[in-house]
Amino acid sequence: GAGVSQTPSNKVTEKGKYVELRCDPISGHTALYWYRQSLGQGPEFLIYFQGTGAADDSGLPNDRFFAVRPEGSVSTLKIQRTERGDSAMYLCASSLGLGLGYNEQFFGPGTRLTVL
Amino acid sequence: AQSVAQPEDQVNVAEGNPLTVKCTYSVSGNPYLFWYVQYPNRGLQFLLKYITGDNLVKGSYGFEAEFNKSQTSFHLKKPSALVSDSALYFCAVSVTNAGNNRKLIWGLGTSLAVNP
Repeated sequence: GAGVSQTPSNKVTEKGKYVELRCDPISGHTALYWYRQSLGQGPEFLIYFQGTGAADDSGLPNDRFFAVRPEGSVSTLKIQRTERGDSAMYLCASSLGLGLGYNEQFFGPGTRLTVL
Repeated sequence: AQSVAQPEDQVNVAEGNPLTVKCTYSVSGNPYLFWYVQYPNRGLQFLLKYITGDNLVKGSYGFEAEFNKSQTSFHLKKPSALVSDSALYFCAVSVTNAGNNRKLIWGLGTSLAVNP
């Protein structure tokens, strides 16, 4: 497709369960970002990939959160032992460039995660 | 600390009137500044950016923004508002972290309501 896609669009899970959220970036975009957005807030940076490697994972809140991008395209955000506080909209974005910071990011529609 | 501020939670304007959504920043070095818009139930969309050069930048949907270095501001403007401009607007600045990677710091957003 032409844009960033994210699946699933909605995920409801129970506390303590494991979830995976998928992001398919725009073809050719080397940079990929994960954010978390709570209602009424701005996006909160989680992790940034340049190619296959995580260039900056300083935003991951704790070791329950992990993300991979094994082939430099699709990325998966993994959350172990989910907690109710993990409930949020998870956004993925991609961009051109080498992390130089002046390329705009293109966002997917997000995955709404609800932890009961 | 590096930060972005959007001092107004909400801005209300009448259709046809000019609109301004304010943004100020505090960063070290030269900033790369961005505006994004989030329509209800849709993903974030890039509007415009300032990297260097002319202080007045033009973007999508008739929006423009003026970079003011002395006031450390990057206010978003449009000469004549449309009802369809009603959305959540985010200002963001690209900063360099300790690992010399760039990432975006986001404002909390301003809800724009254009009344018919």
